[in-house]
Amino acid sequence: ILNVEQSPQSLHVQEGDSTNFTCSFPSSNFYALHWYRWETAKSPEALFVMTLNGDEKKKGRISATLNTKEGYSYLYIKGSQPEDSATYLCAGRNFNKFYFGSGTKLNVKP
Amino acid sequence: DTGVSQDPRHKITKRGQNVTFRCDPISEHNRLYWYRQTLGQGPEFLTYFQNEAQLEKSRLLSDRFSAERPKGSFSTLEIQRTEQGDSAMYLCASSLVYRVQGEQYFGPGTRLTVT
Repeated sequence: ILNVEQSPQSLHVQEGDSTNFTCSFPSSNFYALHWYRWETAKSPEALFVMTLNGDEKKKGRISATLNTKEGYSYLYIKGSQPEDSATYLCAGRNFNKFYFGSGTKLNVKP
Repeated sequence: DTGVSQDPRHKITKRGQNVTFRCDPISEHNRLYWYRQTLGQGPEFLTYFQNEAQLEKSRLLSDRFSAERPKGSFSTLEIQRTEQGDSAMYLCASSLVYRVQGEQYFGPGTRLTVT
């Protein structure tokens, strides 16, 4: 079992602010780290999959980094927009099983 | 690409009743997962299939829960004699086992309320 933790639990920012969240996981038995965005009443949407220490991925204004040695990943959103409001989930993958954190709920005020 | 679909989207049932949920994965995906998500928590693994074979089932899952994936296509999750503690969002996800990245694609979930 991978114990995956996310912080903060929730975040309220103003439109245009940049923000970041943390996902921590045990560095042993680690295979991959996944980030998802989950908007209310929709399906969770895959953002990034990262496997290698030092990995950096970017999609538009959202980027993520991975440190497997110390067991953490950061998700950054540059210039937050109201449409970024969602719950951001990370999951550690150990071979075929995924272990999710409890998510960071982001609310971006216009 | 029609994505992963789940039916129903919402289910309200009385304690003690049986309920069944259906998941239709992306057509070429051979792996299918079921998760349960309660308020303030992330999705919790319940079980997964590769084709029609159920490869693993969470030890947290009571005997009242059963899942099937006949012919390796759609899957059903049945809860017998529902209890109020079964109230949750039930999520289904599918993936292609041969993809190195192993991305999962989720359905919209079935929200179960047990009264």
